Amino acid sequence: AQSVTQLGSHVSVSEGALVLLRCNYSSSVPPYLFWYVQYPNQGLQLLLKYTSAATLVKGINGFEAEFKKSETSFHLTKPSAHMSDAAEYFCAVSERSGGSNYKLTFGKGTLLTVNP
Amino acid sequence: KAGVTQTPRYLIKTRGQQVTLSCSPISGHRSVSWYQQTPGQGLQFLFEYFSETQRNKGNFPGRFSGRQFSNSRSEMNVSTLELGDSALYLCASSKQGAIGELFFGEGSRLTVL
Repeated sequence: AQSVTQLGSHVSVSEGALVLLRCNYSSSVPPYLFWYVQYPNQGLQLLLKYTSAATLVKGINGFEAEFKKSETSFHLTKPSAHMSDAAEYFCAVSERSGGSNYKLTFGKGTLLTVNP
Repeated sequence: KAGVTQTPRYLIKTRGQQVTLSCSPISGHRSVSWYQQTPGQGLQFLFEYFSETQRNKGNFPGRFSGRQFSNSRSEMNVSTLELGDSALYLCASSKQGAIGELFFGEGSRLTVL
């Protein structure tokens, strides 16, 4: 079964600084990879997804992620943090669970704090 | 278009009771998945329904069950509630299931006393 590791349960950055949220997965087969964001008292919202078309994936709100097969990583970055980026971020991997069915496994999440 | 709607948003139950949570997916979405979110365990997959059939199941005890109706609306039921069942229960709908984008509702927050 897939496992997803997000390094750092809490990341704090200053407004305008680089945001780097780390995600590593366990798989010998290139999977489907996702980043979701959860704002307080809300459900999750898709930021971006990797489906093998391109290793650098651009998402909403200025976020992007790079798929590195050799490192089994899919780190999320944003060049300049904004106060509105404060939220919890989840990395997720989709794996085949039988036949043509897939199951999504989430990492434990990283809470991003943006300081003024 | 309307998003995923979950009801109720908040509820309080006592140990031993049962609870039913409802999820109305986005129109046209046939896949509905349920997740349990807790501070300690994060997001854990409960089950997925597609066209009224359960096609994926997580590692939860049989007290957790679900179903999907012909209009794609889904319900999940937890019987004989335990304190550890206190959590945010999230429903997500999609066209393709777990290889595509999931659209999440705001969740039902269950507190078990």
